[in-house]
Amino acid sequence: DTEVTQTPKHLVMGMTNKKSLKCEQHMGHRAMYWYKQKAKKPPELMFVYSYEKLSINESVPSRFSPECPNSSLLNLHLHALQPEDSALYLCASRERAGLRYTFGSGTRLTVV
Amino acid sequence: DAKTTQPNSMESNEEEPVHLPCNHSTISGTDYIHWYRQLPSQGPEYVIHGLTSNVNNRMASLAIAEDRKSSTLILHRATLRDAAVYYCILSRNQFYFGTGTSLTVIP
Repeated sequence: DTEVTQTPKHLVMGMTNKKSLKCEQHMGHRAMYWYKQKAKKPPELMFVYSYEKLSINESVPSRFSPECPNSSLLNLHLHALQPEDSALYLCASRERAGLRYTFGSGTRLTVV
Repeated sequence: DAKTTQPNSMESNEEEPVHLPCNHSTISGTDYIHWYRQLPSQGPEYVIHGLTSNVNNRMASLAIAEDRKSSTLILHRATLRDAAVYYCILSRNQFYFGTGTSLTVIP
């Protein structure tokens, strides 16, 4: 299995809802990442997990809460989002620094 | 993290070679040069990466300048499916994306 799987592919949520995005990989990669991508912009790094521990938080608002329950799974919990948080959320993993990333196809999030 | 500079957009005719340039004058000795491409509504896809020597794979070639301050991604015969945004990224640790080059392939 050489893929990163993200679910759901599309999500519409209200500003008072709580939802979660899921990312899974079975390549044995120990680094996992969340990126946010607005339309016609490059992906922006949000969080980095290394060996299941949060190593980087790029000053992301607390309404985004990451979680890494095990080495194969990465979640992004969403609460009280704003319409401007609507974007494509990308998950990625890699074996170690310097090597290539594998990206998922993303979750298209719309906040209404 | 070190910065890369790419042209915003380029055009190529179908079945002709394409050379996509990238400048990275602040590269350090341990930075790998990665290229990814992204089709609309998809995640970035790995194309190629290298450290010092030129690299070839089934998708493309990567030519790295001797001083490593620039590199060129070469698509040998552009097809319509190669139309995408191409990102050149320096990676010691995390990936920070630049603005990339939007490649249009003309039939």
